Amino acid sequence: DAKTTQPPSMDCAEGRAANLPCNHSTISGNEYVYWYRQIHSQGPQYIIHGLKNNETNEMASLIITEDRKSSTLILPHATLRDTAVYYCIVTYTGNQFYFGTGTSLTVIP
Amino acid sequence: EPEVTQTPSHQVTQMGQEVILRCVPISNHLYFYWYRQILGQKVEFLVSFYNNEISEKSEIFDDQFSVERPDGSNFTLKIRSTKLEDSAMYFCASIGTFQETQYFGPGTRLLVL
Repeated sequence: DAKTTQPPSMDCAEGRAANLPCNHSTISGNEYVYWYRQIHSQGPQYIIHGLKNNETNEMASLIITEDRKSSTLILPHATLRDTAVYYCIVTYTGNQFYFGTGTSLTVIP
Repeated sequence: EPEVTQTPSHQVTQMGQEVILRCVPISNHLYFYWYRQILGQKVEFLVSFYNNEISEKSEIFDDQFSVERPDGSNFTLKIRSTKLEDSAMYFCASIGTFQETQYFGPGTRLLVL
């Protein structure tokens, strides 16, 4: 079962930052936090992942709290194409993913 | 950029028939996975495969399912006798030995009538 809790839905205005929270209070020391998204029924798309430190790439930033019990995915300038279901997944590297229901993000024009 | 590919994109079959779903993982990747997503539901793990054997499987992956890596490039999922409830999107994923990220294919939509 998924070890994460995410709000079921969020809205964000186009051009604004989208901040998607995730709770993972039972995370183990060597488990990573992964973020993926799924647009319609397409294959899940990798966004970013991290262990302890905050991470940034061309798509997003990942902020992990010091106790690692929660994290936030930040899309700095949301576009309409960012409308998708966003999944926060906690697992060991190489292990299978257990997906939750994710957060359905709607970017509003 | 390398990507995972899957064929066919869509398949319609009659209940009781065998289907084989094919995946070509990213070259040099060594860990392979199958997931499924029933319409409107979560993505569910089916099986992981490494070094030519199953590493982990979920309770969904019963005797009707099998996986194989018949050659150096393909990774297949076989359903021996399809049921109506096997209708779903099936996703393949792969990961390299020194990588931390699973890359997913576009999926095969299976419809069992």
